[in-house]
Amino acid sequence: NAGVTQTPKFRVLKTGQSMTLLCAQDMNHEYMYWYRQDPGMGLRLIHYSVGEGTTAKGEVPDGYNVSRLKKQNFLLGLESAAPSQTSVYFCASSSFAATRVGYTFGSGTRLTVV
Amino acid sequence: AQSVTQLDSQVPVFEEAPVELRCNYSSSVSVYLFWYVQYPNQGLQLLLKYLSGSTLVKGINGFEAEFNKSQTSFHLRKPSVHISDTAEYFCAVSDLKGRRALTFGSGTRLQVQP
Repeated sequence: NAGVTQTPKFRVLKTGQSMTLLCAQDMNHEYMYWYRQDPGMGLRLIHYSVGEGTTAKGEVPDGYNVSRLKKQNFLLGLESAAPSQTSVYFCASSSFAATRVGYTFGSGTRLTVV
Repeated sequence: AQSVTQLDSQVPVFEEAPVELRCNYSSSVSVYLFWYVQYPNQGLQLLLKYLSGSTLVKGINGFEAEFNKSQTSFHLRKPSVHISDTAEYFCAVSDLKGRRALTFGSGTRLQVQP
């Protein structure tokens, strides 16, 4: 099925550990995004990419890095995890072709940093 | 830059009653408008979107929303709610150019009581 796949779905990290979240889409979308969701704050944009090889910061980029080496993949890295990064992370991709504007979200990664 | 304000963090309502979830936005450029629903421990599902044309937009599950440009609002309505509509609802906007990322409101928790 076409869509956005996030791995892993759950993870528990110790403070200071590193990890990479993988987002893969098979819809040939140019734009990809990483969001974090925290109670009472909606979803906030961490980083985004407007095409292969390009990335840019969103509203809450501190403590995260991203890479888009292939068009279909968008990786989110935590170099040294902190408890403040406990959150649910969503990846999305988007299309802006004519009237088919839309965003497709992954099912999320629940990350706990202890 | 855009911002989205969802005026109610929680809305309790009895089953079969009508409901309106309010959303106001601020933007210096034209935007697309979206409503998403999130059921407990699940991802985001698109309810409806406004791109252009008729200001009354119909979505899934009997929901509709009206775009009011002069009041910069995009309120979501349903004439008769069901227990199964209990969920969190997010209003979001995206700019037509540039990063085209969604900016979300903080969410409204709809609690449908029998």
